[in-house]
Amino acid sequence: SQQGEEDPQALSIQEGENATMNCSYKTSINNLQWYRQNSGRGLVHLILIRSNEREKHSGRLRVTLDTSKKSSSLLITASRAADTASYFCATGGQGAQKLVFGQGTRLTINP
Amino acid sequence: GAVVSQHPSWVICKSGTSVKIECRSLDFQATTMFWYRQFPKQSLMLMATSNEGSKATYEQGVEKDKFLINHASLTLSTLTVTSAHPEDSSFYICSAFPPGGLYNEQFFGPGTRLTVL
Repeated sequence: SQQGEEDPQALSIQEGENATMNCSYKTSINNLQWYRQNSGRGLVHLILIRSNEREKHSGRLRVTLDTSKKSSSLLITASRAADTASYFCATGGQGAQKLVFGQGTRLTINP
Repeated sequence: GAVVSQHPSWVICKSGTSVKIECRSLDFQATTMFWYRQFPKQSLMLMATSNEGSKATYEQGVEKDKFLINHASLTLSTLTVTSAHPEDSSFYICSAFPPGGLYNEQFFGPGTRLTVL
């Protein structure tokens, strides 16, 4: 069953603006990962944040994790048209290898 | 990063036929691979965990006789959709977990789109 819930389900912004997506989960985790999927393609790993980390940066991406609220956010700054894609959070549990994916956010960047 | 390939990238078949999808780790050995299916505009649903040299572990609700998984080598897992029907039409994605990898970061294949007529 899906553990993660993401909001918004769809987000449309203008190029250059920042995009924020949120993810909530239900059980304790070892780590949380964010992936991007372009239409009809496989998934690309963006960033992994461990349960003992609160914030992580990678280029224009910033991820936060609040384990007390069981939530995470992905911020994409200075968005570009090429950022148009679906974004999924996925959680990994203790000692478990399999990932549980959220419902995803469809992001559209308008030129 | 590690590379995972899938073959074919798309396939169209008639109802009742069987279709085999291959997932290969190109530059690393993977004792564990995962198979997901994804319906349009939906998230990935884990179908099964493929273990090299042993039986696959299927998620609840996934028919093991319908979706046959064989992980015969450390670089290849296959998913066979037997007696495919239109409701099996979906996007199938595999991922591999490199041994020694920390925090279960996985590498995904490009996916296979199956259309059953």
